[in-house]
Amino acid sequence: DIQMTQSPSSLSASVGDRVTITCRASQGIRNDLGWYQQKPGKAPKRLIYGASSLQSGVPSRFSGSGSGTEFTLTISSLQPEDFATYYCLQHNTDPYTFGQGTKLDIK
Amino acid sequence: EVQLVESGGGLVKPGGSLRLSCEASGFTFSSYSMNWVRQAPGKGLEWVSAISSSSSFISYADSVKGRFTISRDNAKNSLSLQMNSLRTEDTAVYYCARELYHLPDYWGQGTLVTVSS
Repeated sequence: DIQMTQSPSSLSASVGDRVTITCRASQGIRNDLGWYQQKPGKAPKRLIYGASSLQSGVPSRFSGSGSGTEFTLTISSLQPEDFATYYCLQHNTDPYTFGQGTKLDIK
Repeated sequence: EVQLVESGGGLVKPGGSLRLSCEASGFTFSSYSMNWVRQAPGKGLEWVSAISSSSSFISYADSVKGRFTISRDNAKNSLSLQMNSLRTEDTAVYYCARELYHLPDYWGQGTLVTVSS
């Protein structure tokens, strides 16, 4: 199975900060990766698909990049509603696998 | 509006069985692959299973292979997950999710499965 290693596992930041979360795949997955945001008690919400395509309705401060084994999710200017847990998910090879999550909280 | 509503969760003893359902509306269900994803209490997301639009392709996580069966009824806009030989580690909120561009996009609100004696 492909292992997805996310870093950091937690992150404290302030409103207005630029934040980057990284996902590394144990083998190459082309650009077969998405990013999700999850708030407590809620279902995940897709932010990015195809490693860099922004989901319709998602603010442009979110962006994704990368290909192969290293991927990043960047939030250009944190807003109060962005404090949540973020996950990457690879769909290159069955079984699909998630990263372990990055909890983003307020500094 | 896309809606996915899971049901069937509850408390079951280890070794028992449970069948989850997901009713879909607001989109052409028969055109989309569907997924189940779970989340143990306080833990991360775990992909469980996927089924293609015509049921011709099915896949499972290693942790559930041989115990869980995914199926769908396109006439009824319904997705199911039959869970047998349940273990305490299967305790989780189970989400159904529509797949678009090979990844889940819309998710239901989840149904809680608790496996405990």
